[in-house]
Amino acid sequence: DAGVTQSPTHLIKTRGQHVTLRCSPISGHKSVSWYQQVLGQGPQFIFQYYEKEERGRGNFPDRFSARQFPNYSSELNVNALLLGDSALYLCASSTSIRDRGIGGHRFGSGTRLTVV
Amino acid sequence: QKEVEQNSGPLSVPEGAIASLNCTYSDRGSQSFFWYRQYSGKSPELIMSIYSNGDKEDGRFTAQLNKASQYVSLLIRDSQPSDSATYLCAGFSGAGSYQLTFGKGTKLSVIP
Repeated sequence: DAGVTQSPTHLIKTRGQHVTLRCSPISGHKSVSWYQQVLGQGPQFIFQYYEKEERGRGNFPDRFSARQFPNYSSELNVNALLLGDSALYLCASSTSIRDRGIGGHRFGSGTRLTVV
Repeated sequence: QKEVEQNSGPLSVPEGAIASLNCTYSDRGSQSFFWYRQYSGKSPELIMSIYSNGDKEDGRFTAQLNKASQYVSLLIRDSQPSDSATYLCAGFSGAGSYQLTFGKGTKLSVIP
């Protein structure tokens, strides 16, 4: 059974560039969330999408945007990259937005973004 | 501001001992709590979830929740070197924002 898949696994970008990260949820999961994890910290919530609609947004600048497609896969876009955007970007899927415990949020392996 | 607090550690225990990891949270609206294990350079792996007061056991792991004290813990019995990792506590609030709020994690080292 395939888990959450993310691509690419690693990425190096230059300051000011744009990046697109991709995520495919577990089959049957309709909710996708994005988190940013910098070294030594816990993941920080960026976005949640459910049924192609944004249902939650964390404290991130407008340079960050996302969308969810009809097949429930998702993209995270970051414009005008800064050095501080270097982090592990994690995608998590769950069965619903009220998934209080049934299965929890399952994370993909992440995309390691380095901005130079 | 919803916060989840954890001791960053490191916590060192000998092989075979009980490791006790603790977490407090500020949001009384939090409904569910999760423990994730994260090996260095890897993504978080869900190991336990709990949403009722009391204990929940799964193999060598026991999660404990006390909503009155806003306290969550994870006990690992018969600790093994393979348990050496960072353990992340996360709270989930269904009230208006369906996000996980994570602590910074506690680094556990199990000494053979």
